[in-house]
Amino acid sequence: SQTIHQWPATLVQPVGSPLSLECTVEGTSNPNLYWYRQAAGRGLQLLFYSVGIGQISSEVPQNLSASRPQDRQFILSSKKLLLSDSGFYLCAWTPGYNRADGYTFGSGTRLTVV
Amino acid sequence: QQQVKQSPQSLIVQKGGIPIINCAYENTAFDYFPWYQQFPGKGPALLIAIRPDVSEKKEGRFTISFNKSAKQFSLHIMDSQPGDSATYFCAATQTGANNLFFGTGTRLTVIP
Repeated sequence: SQTIHQWPATLVQPVGSPLSLECTVEGTSNPNLYWYRQAAGRGLQLLFYSVGIGQISSEVPQNLSASRPQDRQFILSSKKLLLSDSGFYLCAWTPGYNRADGYTFGSGTRLTVV
Repeated sequence: QQQVKQSPQSLIVQKGGIPIINCAYENTAFDYFPWYQQFPGKGPALLIAIRPDVSEKKEGRFTISFNKSAKQFSLHIMDSQPGDSATYFCAATQTGANNLFFGTGTRLTVIP
């Protein structure tokens, strides 16, 4: 069966520090991968998605970047965190190109920038 | 521009009540409409989904009603329980697309 792993679960980082969040999927190949952010009490904001290795689509210009170095690995990064980067970050996957049904989310990372 | 509009933002019902959450969309190409349930500190999980060839779908106590002409769909929770207290998101997409468009979420509280 397919599983999605996301870590760390919680993170407290000072302003100006770098960020690296990792997401991996097991049990499938060539998934679509997504990064979402959820601000407190708000909806889901799509940040990046990837349909293949090295292919990244950015939905919202901001202080963050994403990379997909391997088929089932998706990384969210920042060189210098801002206070406004605080939030709940969610990774998700779907079974392949041109497939937006069957979204499965990871358990999320609670990021607090202080 | 919000592709999917969801209401209400929050909802409080007594145990046994039937909360209803509504969503509306504009893109007539959308052909897949899922609902996600999210508990605090967790990622959203798929609850139930519908395609526009049917007007209603039931899974246990959860029902989606779909009105294609009005471009609206709603989630009904029968005999609601305190354990149903969560945030619910509607979403929509079309075949061949690479991402879902989510509503802004409804925070449901079921009072014992």
